[in-house]
Amino acid sequence: GAVVSQHPSRVICKSGTSVKIECRSLDFQATTMFWYRQFPKQSLMLMATSNEGSKATYEQGVEKDKFLINHASLTLSTLTVTSAHPEDSSFYICSALTPGAREQFFGPGTRLTVL
Amino acid sequence: SQQGEEDPQALSIQEGENATMNCSYKTSINNLQWYRQNSGRGLVHLILIRSNEREKHSGRLRVTLDTSKKSSSLLITASRAADTASYFCVTPAGGTSYGKLTFGQGTILTVHP
Repeated sequence: GAVVSQHPSRVICKSGTSVKIECRSLDFQATTMFWYRQFPKQSLMLMATSNEGSKATYEQGVEKDKFLINHASLTLSTLTVTSAHPEDSSFYICSALTPGAREQFFGPGTRLTVL
Repeated sequence: SQQGEEDPQALSIQEGENATMNCSYKTSINNLQWYRQNSGRGLVHLILIRSNEREKHSGRLRVTLDTSKKSSSLLITASRAADTASYFCVTPAGGTSYGKLTFGQGTILTVHP
């Protein structure tokens, strides 16, 4: 199957700093990618839809100024957690839709810990 | 809000036994998927069942879908310790797409050797 990568896999940062997480579709072009957040022992919650060349669409309750999404190319979407706080510590997972939106592949996730 | 409610929330069985997990959803859908997630790891796609299908098999997995009851079940036969993971039923957020997905709360399965 298609491969989606995320970088970094783990990141630890101090409170108040910004962290960028990359999501790449390695062998297909993805006009649409999604970002999910998963707190410990909970399910995945959709944060936003990332569309190549246009603004991201955020789910209700997700602060767009705090979670900046950029989808500048057909294979890369980035999520920047700005002014991170301990409550932003979570597992962030991206996914990418194949052309024609017939299949969706998930990245391996990024564990963010904010001290 | 979560589309899928899963039952049970946790299931503990012995190796060799069968494991059954159930999922209920609220709105009409055109497909339903099951994923597994090992602790702290990424997602693995298990199976997709379309709304016009009632049952689907893949290896030791058997999935059923009852659109009249808005429910699905995942059966893992002859379980192994390696099946220990969280299992999620996943439905299209809009009911009829392959894009935005809504995850159920998940069932934590523990298979004891």
